[in-house]
Amino acid sequence: DAGITQSPRHKVTETGTPVTLRCHQTENHRYMYWYRQDPGHGLRLIHYSYGVKDTDKGEVSDGYSVSRSKTEDFLLTLESATSSQTSVYFCATSRAGRNTEAFFGQGTRLTVV
Amino acid sequence: ELKVEQNPLFLSMQEGKNYTIYCNYSTTSDRLYWYRQDPGKSLESLFVLLSNGAVKQEGRLMASLDTKARLSTLHITAAVHDLSATYFCAGDTGTASKLTFGTGTRLQVTL
Repeated sequence: DAGITQSPRHKVTETGTPVTLRCHQTENHRYMYWYRQDPGHGLRLIHYSYGVKDTDKGEVSDGYSVSRSKTEDFLLTLESATSSQTSVYFCATSRAGRNTEAFFGQGTRLTVV
Repeated sequence: ELKVEQNPLFLSMQEGKNYTIYCNYSTTSDRLYWYRQDPGKSLESLFVLLSNGAVKQEGRLMASLDTKARLSTLHITAAVHDLSATYFCAGDTGTASKLTFGTGTRLQVTL
C-alpha cells in the first residue's frame, strides 16, 4: 500500500469555523487528490494537485481550498465550515503515467454542527 | 463530462451463486477502475482496465471492459461471505487520473 496518512481521522467542528485536513504521503507520487464521500453520490473530486504548488479544481470545489508546498503534503481547508460539508474525506495519490492507479488514505470523518 | 452509472445499487446474494455488477459510462474514458470498500474503511484497488476487450481476474472476481458499448462488468463467481463490501467503478480522462465514480454497489452475501 502507498504510505498515505490523513489527519485528523475524526473531527467535529462548529459552523463557521475554519478547518484544515492534512494528507501526507511517503511514496513520492506526483498527483494528489481530495475526494468527499456522501451516501448516494459515491466519491466526488474536490481538488487535485499535479505537482508542488500546482493545483486545480474538481467537481465540488466550492467552499474548499488546497495547498501543496511539498511533494509529500496536500492540505484541504474549509475556510468557513457549513453543515453541508459534513462528510468523509479521502486523500488519494497516484504516479504519473498511463498504467497507474490511485491509492487512498484511511479517510477523515468530519462533522459540522 | 464523464458520468458513471452502476447497477444494481444493492445486491443480496446467496453463497455459491454467480452475479454481475454493471458499470456504464457516458463518454470516452481512458481507463476504468474497480475498487472495493469495507464499511468504515478505505478504498482498495481491484482492477485497472486499459483497453477494449480487457479482462482481468483475481480469485472469484473477474472484470471486463467493452469501450464500444461503454460498459464494464464485475462478475462474481461462487460468492462467499468475505466478498460482502461496496464495489465502485470509476473512469478517468486525461493524464491526471481524476476519477469519476459510480455511486457504488453494496454487495451482501448470505449463507
